[in-house]
Amino acid sequence: GAGVSQSPRYKVAKRGQDVALRCDPISGHVSLFWYQQALGQGPEFLTYFQNEAQLDKSGLPSDRFFAERPEGSVSTLKIQRTQQEDSAVYLCASSHSGPVSGQFFGPGTRLTVL
Amino acid sequence: RKEVEQDPGPFNVPEGATVAFNCTYSNSASQSFFWYRQDCRKEPKLLMSVYSSGNEDGRFTAQLNRASQYISLLIRDSKLSDSATYLCVALSNTGKLIFGQGTTLQVKP
Repeated sequence: GAGVSQSPRYKVAKRGQDVALRCDPISGHVSLFWYQQALGQGPEFLTYFQNEAQLDKSGLPSDRFFAERPEGSVSTLKIQRTQQEDSAVYLCASSHSGPVSGQFFGPGTRLTVL
Repeated sequence: RKEVEQDPGPFNVPEGATVAFNCTYSNSASQSFFWYRQDCRKEPKLLMSVYSSGNEDGRFTAQLNRASQYISLLIRDSKLSDSATYLCVALSNTGKLIFGQGTTLQVKP
């Protein structure tokens, strides 16, 4: 496809459940970013990959959050033992080179933790 | 205090009006700035980059004032289709995009 794709689009989890969110960036895009967007707020940075290297994970809110991009393409954001405060839209973005080039966002995964 | 601050609005304007949004940022080391548009329940999309010299794209004009750490977006001749949330964004010196809360615009017929 032409754009960034994410799956699933919607996820409902029971508190304590583990979830995995997938991002397929635009083909050939070197950089990949994950953001968390709470209702009524702007996206908040979580983590950044350049190829397979995770260069910045300072935005991950706790050690329950883990992201990987093992082959420098598809990325997975995993949240262990989900809590209600994890409910948000998780956005993935990719860019051709580094952060300064335009970032293109996927449609997001809306996570609801009950 | 948030690193990028915007008035969340909402701004309710009639079609054809001119509307301006402002944004301030606190990190003087921020390198680049952008305006993104986000429609309800959709992803953010890049609207335009912001330069000190100012830049214009059709009905949209963006301006950066580094001395005051202030960014603006002006929309002329508003259309119904301009209704959305406008996100002010700074690229930090560490490479992160820092988003403001967003300003909601509602253009009425």
